[in-house]
Amino acid sequence: GAGVSQSPSNKVTEKGKDVELRCDPISGHTALYWYRQSLGQGLEFLIYFQGNSAPDKSGLPSDRFSAERTGGSVSTLTIQRTQQEDSAVYLCASSLVETGGAGSPLHFGNGTRLTVT
Amino acid sequence: DQQVKQNSPSLSVQEGRISILNCDYTNSMFDYFLWYKKYPAEGPTFLISISSIKDKNEDGRFTVFLNKSAKHLSLHIVPSQPGDSAVYFCAATLSLGYGGSQGNLIFGKGTKLSVKP
Repeated sequence: GAGVSQSPSNKVTEKGKDVELRCDPISGHTALYWYRQSLGQGLEFLIYFQGNSAPDKSGLPSDRFSAERTGGSVSTLTIQRTQQEDSAVYLCASSLVETGGAGSPLHFGNGTRLTVT
Repeated sequence: DQQVKQNSPSLSVQEGRISILNCDYTNSMFDYFLWYKKYPAEGPTFLISISSIKDKNEDGRFTVFLNKSAKHLSLHIVPSQPGDSAVYFCAATLSLGYGGSQGNLIFGKGTKLSVKP
């Protein structure tokens, strides 16, 4: 499809396990973002990739969280030793250039709902 | 410390009437603002944006107003339709002048709009 694709759509895991969430951005979009939405909360910025620049990891809540973007396209968000407070919807977005610029809004995927039991 | 605040978690409006969604921000450096709409189980979709050099931007039934001195923006939907029922997120960023920005959008917690037939 033409939109941002995320997989899996739902993931249930046991506390302490590692999980990987995948994002396929829109073809040609150079910027890729990960956000998460916990229950009753807004969208919390996690990490941002722009072209070949070093990613902005300032939003990652702990060192258990990491992300990669291979070949400037697909990205994987990894959460190690999951905790119950990691339960949230993890949203990936992409844009043509850095977000917010006129004509270059973020396009979001439908998210991965992560439940840590 | 929330930089973007949507103080009304929910709003109920009759079909055909005006919906007004409000957003306040604390960082006076923000100069580009966006509204996103989110249906359940879907990612947010871009709705409308405004640059700080303007005080109003209109797109069909949707108008965004910006009051920089009050650090306040609002989204007006006229006339409201049942299909407008969704969660609306306000977001802000710092633009870089050429269409880019500092890298990530700061989102509010959202306002759930219900439009009743």
